[in-house]
Amino acid sequence: DVKVTQSSRYLVKRTGEKVFLECVQDMDHENMFWYRQDPGLGLRLIYFSYDVKMKEKGDIPEGYSVSREKKERFSLILESASTNQTSMYLCASSLVGLSNQPQHFGDGTRLSIL
Amino acid sequence: KQEVTQIPAALSVPEGENLVLNCSFTDSAIYNLQWFRQDPGKGLTSLLLIQSSQREQTSGRLNASLDKSSGRSTLYIAASQPGDSATYLCAVNSYGQNFVFGPGTRLSVLP
Repeated sequence: DVKVTQSSRYLVKRTGEKVFLECVQDMDHENMFWYRQDPGLGLRLIYFSYDVKMKEKGDIPEGYSVSREKKERFSLILESASTNQTSMYLCASSLVGLSNQPQHFGDGTRLSIL
Repeated sequence: KQEVTQIPAALSVPEGENLVLNCSFTDSAIYNLQWFRQDPGKGLTSLLLIQSSQREQTSGRLNASLDKSSGRSTLYIAASQPGDSATYLCAVNSYGQNFVFGPGTRLSVLP
């Protein structure tokens, strides 16, 4: 079974801090994704990556950046955290061939910015 | 731009009932559609993936159908159990667009 692991289940940070959210998958998937999930807004794609060192903006990239130095690891970075970035963050991965492969999700990180 | 809706927003049924969850999408040019389950405070668990060329997929008590021309998918759950209580989301993978998720249907199965 595919295992997508997010480093923290809960995280509390302060406004202005630089925040790192880590995601690791163990199935050699090429594609990795970061979403945020908010009540009433559903899941929205922040960034995704098709390969090492490659990244593409999703629907809401403002205020975020990502890093993919190794195939199994995809990091989401909040350069200067703000209270409107309080949310549930979900990482996902899938095999190459985006058109016919399912996405597999981690358990999520609930991030609170005070 | 693809838009995905799910009806109903919430559903409460007694244990043992068969039930249907609905997912609608506006653009029929899709690669596939995926159904997920999400337990409170948790990530998404993949249930079924239907390719655009398929009409349905089955896994245990779950059956998902796809009618691309009408922009609809249904998730049928047979003989519901309290353990099926969760939020169910559908996600559409469309040509030239990222995955688009529906808002979900919150299901409660009462013992």
